[in-house]
Amino acid sequence: AQKITQTQPGMFVQEKEAVTLDCTYDTSDPSYGLFWYKQPSSGEMIFLIYQGSYDQQNATEGRYSLNFQKARKSANLVISASQLGDSAMYFCAMRDLSGRHKLIFGTGTRLQVFP
Amino acid sequence: DAGVIQSPRHEVTEMGQEVTLRCKPISGHDYLFWYRQTMMRGLELLIYFNNNVPIDDSGMPEDRFSAKMPNASFSTLKIQPSEPRDSAVYFCASSLGGSPLHFGNGTRLTVT
Repeated sequence: AQKITQTQPGMFVQEKEAVTLDCTYDTSDPSYGLFWYKQPSSGEMIFLIYQGSYDQQNATEGRYSLNFQKARKSANLVISASQLGDSAMYFCAMRDLSGRHKLIFGTGTRLQVFP
Repeated sequence: DAGVIQSPRHEVTEMGQEVTLRCKPISGHDYLFWYRQTMMRGLELLIYFNNNVPIDDSGMPEDRFSAKMPNASFSTLKIQPSEPRDSAVYFCASSLGGSPLHFGNGTRLTVT
């Protein structure tokens, strides 16, 4: 069975600093994808970044990078140069790509960026 | 592209009433997901479809919930009868294969 764990209910970071949001997962599927979504206070779900289980390099998208450690089953999100607009809930998600394509979410981390 | 379209944006109903939530996925997408979000339980996967066929409905809370996808451009999630504990934000999302999910803006349901 798939499982996603986000152990940080809340995180604080000062503007312009980097922050790492933790995500660990468990799956028996050989092929899977890992995703991060941002949910601001307005409520919409915004896709940030994707990492495939067979990708050799860590994914990057602008100020977002995914620190993928397959042996440890972790897929941490790193946000560099934090901005006030980064304050939001962040969800890690995993999708089975070898069969049923089910996608489940972690419980989320609330990030607050302060000046 | 218009994105995933959900209606209504807000729904307030009385306990015992039937509620129908609607979703139009992005054209060409072959997967459609329904999630429920609450403070207590986070984002729960209720059911998802592939090419209009339900693949996994193990997350549907009970028989009061049902979902259909009569064609590639429309899906409904129905609650009958509704209860106060069904109050939540319901999201619909679609994808093409294993690509990232695109979410609608959600329907905020309040059952009094």
